Amino acid sequence: GQNIDQPTEMTATEGAIVQINCTYQTSGFNGLFWYQQHAGEAPTFLSYNVLDGLEEKGRFSSFLSRSKGYSYLLLKELQMKDSASYLCAGLNYQLIWGAGTKLIIKP
Amino acid sequence: NAGVTQTPKFRVLKTGQSMTLLCAQDMNHEYMYWYRQDPGMGLRLIHYSVGEGTTAKGEVPDGYNVSRLKKQNFLLGLESAAPSQTSVYFCATSRDRGNQHFGDGTRLSIL
Repeated sequence: GQNIDQPTEMTATEGAIVQINCTYQTSGFNGLFWYQQHAGEAPTFLSYNVLDGLEEKGRFSSFLSRSKGYSYLLLKELQMKDSASYLCAGLNYQLIWGAGTKLIIKP
Repeated sequence: NAGVTQTPKFRVLKTGQSMTLLCAQDMNHEYMYWYRQDPGMGLRLIHYSVGEGTTAKGEVPDGYNVSRLKKQNFLLGLESAAPSQTSVYFCATSRDRGNQHFGDGTRLSIL
């Protein structure tokens, strides 16, 4: 099967930087998505990497290494509103979802 | 421009009852999906559709049926609800196999 693994929970401090990792089996994925989901709300799109390397979008950046089956989401200058779950999803014929990483931001 | 609209938002059912969840989109997307999301687990695909009149099984289809009679609507049916189907259900749409746009979810409790 195709598994996607990410940490269950992470804690970081307001104003700091945090990196959320996502690993997956390398067979068959054509790209990797990151979504943000606030508690009680729907997931919303953050980024999509189809090629190796870093994609930067404001305070958020996403990295992909297809040969290593590895991606990360980097959040800079953390704000309290960044407290949410971050979902990693690999694109095969459908999106295959990780269980999500709950990010807790402390003042 | 509402995007993806799910009705109802909340529902409580008794075991054995039936109900239909409606997903409506105004984005003219071909692909539509039904997921369930349970604590500690990722989004799990129940059924999906790649266009009007088509449906296909996802990862966890048992106990559910779907229909896509019109491009803009995707219905999820529970014929005989079971407590194991207590969950949050999300509908999503996409133009192609990529980025998906989600509705606000339906919180369903089966007693």
